Amino acid sequence: GQSLEQPSEVTAVEGAIVQINCTYQTSGFYGLSWYQQHDGGAPTFLSYNALDGLEETGRFSSFLSRSDSYGYLLLQELQMKDSASYFCAGNTGFQKLVFGTGTRLLVSP
Amino acid sequence: KAGVTQTPRYLIKTRGQQVTLSCSPISGHRSVSWYQQTPGQGLQFLFEYFSETQRNKGNFPGRFSGRQFSNSRSEMNVSTLELGDSALYLCASSLVGSATDYGEQFFGPGTRLTVL
Repeated sequence: GQSLEQPSEVTAVEGAIVQINCTYQTSGFYGLSWYQQHDGGAPTFLSYNALDGLEETGRFSSFLSRSDSYGYLLLQELQMKDSASYFCAGNTGFQKLVFGTGTRLLVSP
Repeated sequence: KAGVTQTPRYLIKTRGQQVTLSCSPISGHRSVSWYQQTPGQGLQFLFEYFSETQRNKGNFPGRFSGRQFSNSRSEMNVSTLELGDSALYLCASSLVGSATDYGEQFFGPGTRLTVL
């Protein structure tokens, strides 16, 4: 089967850096994406790693290592508005995403 | 440009009934995917349509079906509703049409379905 595991909750303070890990077991993903979802809102796209390595988009960076079946999302200069749930998701083809268990990030002042 | 729209936003049904949910993708997007989100199971893929063809399907019973029209608008239908079908149903549209490349998916606000 295909499963992606994430920590259920992570807490941090404003201005800090936080890393959200994603480990997966699957027969094969074409790539790994990350989505943010605020309570009551829709998921919004953050990043996608088609290849191993680091992708940087502003305050957010995402990393993928296929050999380790592992990825992470790095959030820098945390702001209160970053409090949300974050999902990793594997692309299995034809836009099908297998979502991770989700991580709730709580940013405190 | 306008985002993905879904109607209705909220729906209450009773067991045994059927329901049809609608999704209008971003103009120009031909791929539409549907997801079910519940607290227990998280986000789960239902199916994806591209140019009126279902290209991918998740592990849901046959009571869940969908279709896409020539204008890329999509509908999903759930027949013989069960209590466990209560969920947020999200649709997402994308420009990308290839099998392996991934294109950012833009999600709609969802339809909150409650089955009593």
